[in-house]
Amino acid sequence: GENVEQHPSTLSVQEGDSAVIKCTYSDSASNYFPWYKQELGKRPQLIIDIRSNVGEKKDQRIAVTLNKTAKHFSLHITETQPEDSAVYFCAALTGANNLFFGTGTRLTVIP
Amino acid sequence: ETGVTQTPRHLVMGMTNKKSLKCEQHLGHNVMYWYKQSAKKPLELMFVYNFKEQTENNSVPSRFSPECPNSSHLFLHLHTLQPEDSALYLCASSQGADNSPLHFGNGTRLTVT
Repeated sequence: GENVEQHPSTLSVQEGDSAVIKCTYSDSASNYFPWYKQELGKRPQLIIDIRSNVGEKKDQRIAVTLNKTAKHFSLHITETQPEDSAVYFCAALTGANNLFFGTGTRLTVIP
Repeated sequence: ETGVTQTPRHLVMGMTNKKSLKCEQHLGHNVMYWYKQSAKKPLELMFVYNFKEQTENNSVPSRFSPECPNSSHLFLHLHTLQPEDSALYLCASSQGADNSPLHFGNGTRLTVT
């Protein structure tokens, strides 16, 4: 099955700085890569996604990049704010339409 | 209102008990999922139901028994669980078309004593 690796496991940044989280996947048939944000005690919520036919997507302060050849994708958050503090999960959708998640990154934005 | 409702929010059960987790989605989705979330582990896919038919059983022990009576409801029946089964159990649904995102419920926090 799909194996999704995510780094780093924890990340602390100063407010206003950028944060980058990286993921790799193993199944070359995977074609959809969402990112979820999970605040403490709450459910994961989709924040952005990218499909295999594009290399980059941006939504305000959040951007994702995808390198299908290298099988890795990244989340970039610019001008970080304290409310960005949460656990972020990357995921990859296999050819069988099952979504497999990375281990998560705990992001802390220091005011 | 998340569109995906899970009950109960918290559950404490002994190893000899039998209990059930319930999930209901109001989004008109065709696919429903059970995920297990443990500390320091990825979200683990357990079961997938597509139009009430189970399409994935990710090597889950038989002490977890899913039931999907219709495309809006999903249950997870629990019996003779172990303490290591304590975790957050998340239900999710999706449209089922390629590249459709998952919508999660708030989860059931299960503690096995």
